[in-house]
Amino acid sequence: GQQVQQSPASLVLQEGENAELQCNFSTSLNSMQWFYQRPGGSLVSLFYNPSGTKHSGRLTSTTVIKERRSSLHISSSQTTDSGTYLCALEPPSGSWQLIFGSGTQLTVMP
Amino acid sequence: NAGVIQTPRHKVTGKGQEATLWCEPISGHSAVFWYRQTIVQGLEFLTYFRNQAPIDDSGMPKERFSAQMPNQSHSTLKIQSTQPQDSAVYLCASSFDGNSDYTFGSGTRLLVI
Repeated sequence: GQQVQQSPASLVLQEGENAELQCNFSTSLNSMQWFYQRPGGSLVSLFYNPSGTKHSGRLTSTTVIKERRSSLHISSSQTTDSGTYLCALEPPSGSWQLIFGSGTQLTVMP
Repeated sequence: NAGVIQTPRHKVTGKGQEATLWCEPISGHSAVFWYRQTIVQGLEFLTYFRNQAPIDDSGMPKERFSAQMPNQSHSTLKIQSTQPQDSAVYLCASSFDGNSDYTFGSGTRLLVI
């Protein structure tokens, strides 16, 4: 089965609303990363967060390893936040490859 | 720091032709990765190098795909006899030591017609 499951698959917000994106994984992990991608754009790393909580502006990432989940919280959303958010984990196998979730498509309406 | 540089940005090839994609990782990064992204499959790992040595190519289609890293400043992904199903965005990424942030390039959008 899928090792990394993201939810929701898509989300539409009004500007100013908050968003909570979830990533659940069925395997243990070495690290967890969150990426942002605009349509046709490259992946931009938002957080490298193997455990605990990290903040960056309006974004907060929380990874709870024993519960096998990670979340990305976006507060006071803006139209420029629209795009795809992807989580990716690195399994503890010693291989450095990332296993990606299928992404959450976020649309923030003005 | 120009980031990870991939060339070309777009490539159109005819079925059966060869395509070579280039990647210049961030200077000082020891790990270089290749991924492929399609709407149907999402992001798929292809292969990676550590200190120029191939470490894991478990995601590479066994036929027609090959990757090399002849020096620390660039890696190539070669697809022989391209097929329409090879159409995808091919992404290169580098990491300082594999235990830190990955930085992705802008990708090469390959279209096989």
